[in-house]
Amino acid sequence: GDSVTQMEGPVTLSEEACLTINCTYTATGYPSLFWYVQYPGEGLQLLLKATKADDKGSNKGFEATYRKETTSFHLEKGSVQVSDSAVYFCALSETSGSRLTFGEGTQLTVNP
Amino acid sequence: DTAVSQTPKYLVTQMGNDKSIKCEQNLGHDTMYWYKQDSKKFLKIMFSYNNKELIINETVPNRFSPKSPDKAHLNLHINSLELGDSAVYFCASSLRGSGSQETQYFGPGTRLLVL
Repeated sequence: GDSVTQMEGPVTLSEEACLTINCTYTATGYPSLFWYVQYPGEGLQLLLKATKADDKGSNKGFEATYRKETTSFHLEKGSVQVSDSAVYFCALSETSGSRLTFGEGTQLTVNP
Repeated sequence: DTAVSQTPKYLVTQMGNDKSIKCEQNLGHDTMYWYKQDSKKFLKIMFSYNNKELIINETVPNRFSPKSPDKAHLNLHINSLELGDSAVYFCASSLRGSGSQETQYFGPGTRLLVL
C-alpha cells in the first residue's frame, strides 16, 4: 500500500538557519504530494503541493520539488523564523482515491 | 468565515459514555473526511463521505459511526468510549472525492480525552 516516510524529529534550529525536512514515498500510481503544517493547538493547514513529476510547490518561503526518480518531496526553506515552529506533515493522495496518507510528522522548533 | 468548523473543541468524558462530534463546511465541497491523530501526532483516515454517501471506511471499530445529514455536514458518533479513543479528531473537506487529488481543508480538531 501507499506510505510516506519523513525524517525523524524533533528538529531544532536557530533563527535564519536553513531547513530541510526529508520526505520519501511509496505509491502504486501517480500521486499528488502535499506538505501540511500544524501550529501548536491548531488544525492542519496546507503549506504547498505538487501534482506531477518535477513540479515545484512553494509558499511562505518554503519549497518542495516532486522527484519521481527518487520518490521524494523534501521540504526546504533558506532562512527559518521563530514563527515557523510547528509540526510539518508530508502526505500523498493517489489517483485512485481521495484519501490522504500522511508521514509521521516532524516537529520543528526555531529558537531566537 | 470559518471554512471547516468542528464542535466541540475539547471533550472530556468517562469510559463507557456515548458522544458526538459535529463538523460543518461552508466551502461548497462534495467530500468530507474524518481523521484521527494519536498521541504521537500520527494521522490516519477513518471515514470519507461524498455527497452523503460513504466512500471510505477504514478498519475502525463499529463503535464509531459517521452520519452525513447533508453534504455540508459530517458528524461522528462514538459509542461506549474507551481509553484508547483519546486522540484529536480532525474533520476535512475537498471539492471532489474519489478519483481526484483535490486539496483537503482541515478543521481545528476536537481533542477527546476519555477518563
